[in-house]
Amino acid sequence: DTEVTQTPKHLVMGMTNKKSLKCEQHMGHRAMYWYKQKAKKPPELMFVYSYEKLSINESVPSRFSPECPNSSLLNLHLHALQPEDSALYLCASSQDTPLAGGRTDTQYFGPGTRLTVL
Amino acid sequence: QKEVEQDPGPLSVPEGAIVSLNCTYSNSAFQYFMWYRQYSRKGPELLMYTYSSGNKEDGRFTAQVDKSSKYISLFIRDSQPSDSATYLCAMSGRAGNMLTFGGGTRLMVKP
Repeated sequence: DTEVTQTPKHLVMGMTNKKSLKCEQHMGHRAMYWYKQKAKKPPELMFVYSYEKLSINESVPSRFSPECPNSSLLNLHLHALQPEDSALYLCASSQDTPLAGGRTDTQYFGPGTRLTVL
Repeated sequence: QKEVEQDPGPLSVPEGAIVSLNCTYSNSAFQYFMWYRQYSRKGPELLMYTYSSGNKEDGRFTAQVDKSSKYISLFIRDSQPSDSATYLCAMSGRAGNMLTFGGGTRLMVKP
């Protein structure tokens, strides 16, 4: 089973709203990732959690706040977003961290949450 | 110059054709090479994983890596309309390096 699930599938929010995106995997993976993907562009890395600790933050604005409550769950809290933040937000997981290298850092993606900011 | 270059397409082929998708890269440290398929409005799905140079076959799909030329390919035999998607190449180097994606090639297989 190589399934990563994400909820909700679609989200529309105003610029003053607070919302959260959720990601879950039950593959025993110890690394989880958030990506942002704009139309016709490849995914852009936002955050990496390794063993439930934030290991990489790709200079993401503070209006995006990640959280890893346990090894299976990853949240992305959203507050005061801008219309240009509208995108597909993808979660991914890998067996081990990029530091381990090799086959174990192959990333498996969830279906994404399509976010629209009005 | 981008680290990984990929022709955006669209590439349009008739059903049953052999499809060749390619990426070139500039970073000689890349050792792990992946192909992802992404249907419209869905997440990327891992298709093929290859380490270093050589070929790997899985059903109708064959991945080739030529590190001397910094060139990777994905071949799809007997292409089907269900293969219509965007194909992303991705690669990573030694431990500590994240995935670097190509821009994706949009493939359309017409019945």
